[in-house]
Amino acid sequence: EAGVAQSPRYKIIEKRQSVAFWCNPISGHATLYWYQQILGQGPKLLIQFQNNGVVDDSQLPKDRFSAERLKGVDSTLKIQPAKLEDSAVYLCASSLNRGGGETQYFGPGTRLLVL
Amino acid sequence: QKEVEQNSGPLSVPEGAIASLNCTYSDRVSQSFFWYRQYSGKSPELIMSIYSNGDKEDGRFTAQLNKASQYVSLLIRDSQPSDSATYLCAVNWGSGAGSYQLTFGKGTKLSVIP
Repeated sequence: EAGVAQSPRYKIIEKRQSVAFWCNPISGHATLYWYQQILGQGPKLLIQFQNNGVVDDSQLPKDRFSAERLKGVDSTLKIQPAKLEDSAVYLCASSLNRGGGETQYFGPGTRLLVL
Repeated sequence: QKEVEQNSGPLSVPEGAIASLNCTYSDRVSQSFFWYRQYSGKSPELIMSIYSNGDKEDGRFTAQLNKASQYVSLLIRDSQPSDSATYLCAVNWGSGAGSYQLTFGKGTKLSVIP
C-alpha cells in the first residue's frame, strides 16, 4: 500500500513570495490533515479535511495560508505572502476516518526555508 | 488551551537499558493517546496507541496510561542504538462537530549509547 505522498520535498523562497505544497493521501482515506512543524517543536495542526470539506481550520493563519481538497483526494496548501517565521516542515497526514482513535499516517514532509 | 507536556531531554541511556519517556496532558476528556517516533529529518511514525487505563505491550515497547493523573508513558526495554530518535506524545480530543484534534508535545530526544 502506497503511503502519503508530498511534493516538493524542499523549497527555498524569499519573504513575501508565494509557495504551494501538494499532498496525495493513502488511497481510501477520507480525512486529511496539514501540520506545521517548526524545528524543535511537535507538529501543529493547521487544517483538517473530511472528504472535501473543512472540519477544523481554527489554527490556520487565514490571512496568508489557504488550503483546498477539491475532489476529496489530493490537497494543496498555499502560503501567500510568506514570512520568515513560516520556515518549517509542512507535514501532510491522512486517516481512514476522523474518529478519536484513528491512526494518522504522515507523509515525508516539505521543508520550507524563507529567506 | 489543550496542552501536552514532555521533557525535551536529551535522555541518554546505555544500550540494553530501559528508557522511560513521560508525558502529561491538560484535558481530562481526552480519549486516545499515541506515541510517535521521529528520526532526524524524517516524518513521525506511529509506534504505540493506548485508549484505556493500564499497560499495553508491543514487543519491546510498553505504553502506560493513567487518566486520573493525566499521565502517559512509554517504556522501551533492551534499548538499541537504532531507538535513538525523538519521541512525540500525542493526545486526541474532541474539537467539536464530531471532529478530533491531535495535539503533540514537543518531543523527548532519546540517545542510546552503545
